[in-house]
Amino acid sequence: DAGVIQSPRHEVTEMGQEVTLRCKPISGHDYLFWYRQTMMRGLELLIYFNNNVPIDDSGMPEDRFSAKMPNASFSTLKIQPSEPRDSAVYFCASSLRNTIYFGEGSWLTVV
Amino acid sequence: DAKTTQPPSMDCAEGRAANLPCNHSTISGNEYVYWYRQIHSQGPQYIIHGLKNNETNEMASLIITEDRKSSTLILPHATLRDTAVYYCIVRAQGGTSYGKLTFGQGTILTVHP
Repeated sequence: DAGVIQSPRHEVTEMGQEVTLRCKPISGHDYLFWYRQTMMRGLELLIYFNNNVPIDDSGMPEDRFSAKMPNASFSTLKIQPSEPRDSAVYFCASSLRNTIYFGEGSWLTVV
Repeated sequence: DAKTTQPPSMDCAEGRAANLPCNHSTISGNEYVYWYRQIHSQGPQYIIHGLKNNETNEMASLIITEDRKSSTLILPHATLRDTAVYYCIVRAQGGTSYGKLTFGQGTILTVHP
């Protein structure tokens, strides 16, 4: 299995631009998670889905952030408009039952 | 989910066992103990988890005290590649928090030659 696949791996964008991060979970997994990691705040859960339905989005920082999961094999995290304080590593993860597996992350820099 | 307490950093000599402690004194009966690690610039990697019995896999062993208030992750023969941040997480397997992993600050393990 290829594991959780994220794209892009690195993105540099200008403030105000729209950013879309993509994730392909492990086939057959029914939970999908989006995390964000910064030096100041560590790893934070933004939102998670079960069977493509958002279960808990209380970690989404503000309305500029949105996440969708149109089918079992694809999810997006969108930031519009982006701001410098959104610079972070964004991790997607998926699980079936107990163990959560993480992707390698998308490194976002907003200048 | 219950909170955990870990030492901020530890050192270990290559080839020796690394014993990483974790305190979770407020753990509930349905909460499991999970260990993840994160090597620099990579995504967190699952290591092992357990409920009340000791567990062992190809990566590590997990020793949970009888009262379940603390646990120890053991890397039997640490290598330089085991240098990472190790996270101890307590997680419910049911209810509204099912699925969530809440990360603390972890322990920075440095393995030196």
